[in-house]
Amino acid sequence: GNSVTQMEGPVTLSEEAFLTINCTYTATGYPSLFWYVQYPGEGLQLLLKATKADDKGSNKGFEATYRKETTSFHLEKGSVQVSDSAVYFCALIMTTGANNLFFGTGTRLTVIP
Amino acid sequence: EPEVTQTPSHQVTQMGQEVILRCVPISNHLYFYWYRQILGQKVEFLVSFYNNEISEKSEIFDDQFSVERPDGSNFTLKIRSTKLEDSAMYFCASTWAPNTEAFFGQGTRLTVV
Repeated sequence: GNSVTQMEGPVTLSEEAFLTINCTYTATGYPSLFWYVQYPGEGLQLLLKATKADDKGSNKGFEATYRKETTSFHLEKGSVQVSDSAVYFCALIMTTGANNLFFGTGTRLTVIP
Repeated sequence: EPEVTQTPSHQVTQMGQEVILRCVPISNHLYFYWYRQILGQKVEFLVSFYNNEISEKSEIFDDQFSVERPDGSNFTLKIRSTKLEDSAMYFCASTWAPNTEAFFGQGTRLTVV
């Protein structure tokens, strides 16, 4: 079946620290991969995406590379800010067939000044 | 920027009561979805809706649940007789095409007491 495994949280970092949140997936075919972010009191927002192997998605200083060989899509940011404090969700959707997202459990990030 | 809106943001209901969660998807989107997240667990797919009918549903979406698009703008999720285990955050989402990234509302937190 299709599933996403995401690094357990919570993660607490100091401002300007390097961030990595690990995400691996299992899929029966060819998925597109996403990172969604949920800021306090808000809905899920698409942060970045990658639709095929070796694609790099990037947005707001965050990056993730679609690695087919390791079935991974790790989220990274070189220097986090307090405003990055949120819950981050890794997700996949198959490019054909079942038209629904499969999510990881979410990782809560807190950045302290 | 167009967005998905959900009402109410929080609803408390007694076990056995019916609830209706409301969503206004993005206006030119054609595919509509409900997901839920029980506290501490993954975001789970419930149902997708296209062309005025259910296109896919998960095993969670049993006879207690129904969806409707009563007019050109609203998309509703009804739970006929709520149970304690229905307590969760419910997210509505919409897309313009299948198997693409979804745009989410801010969620409705349902508490069944």
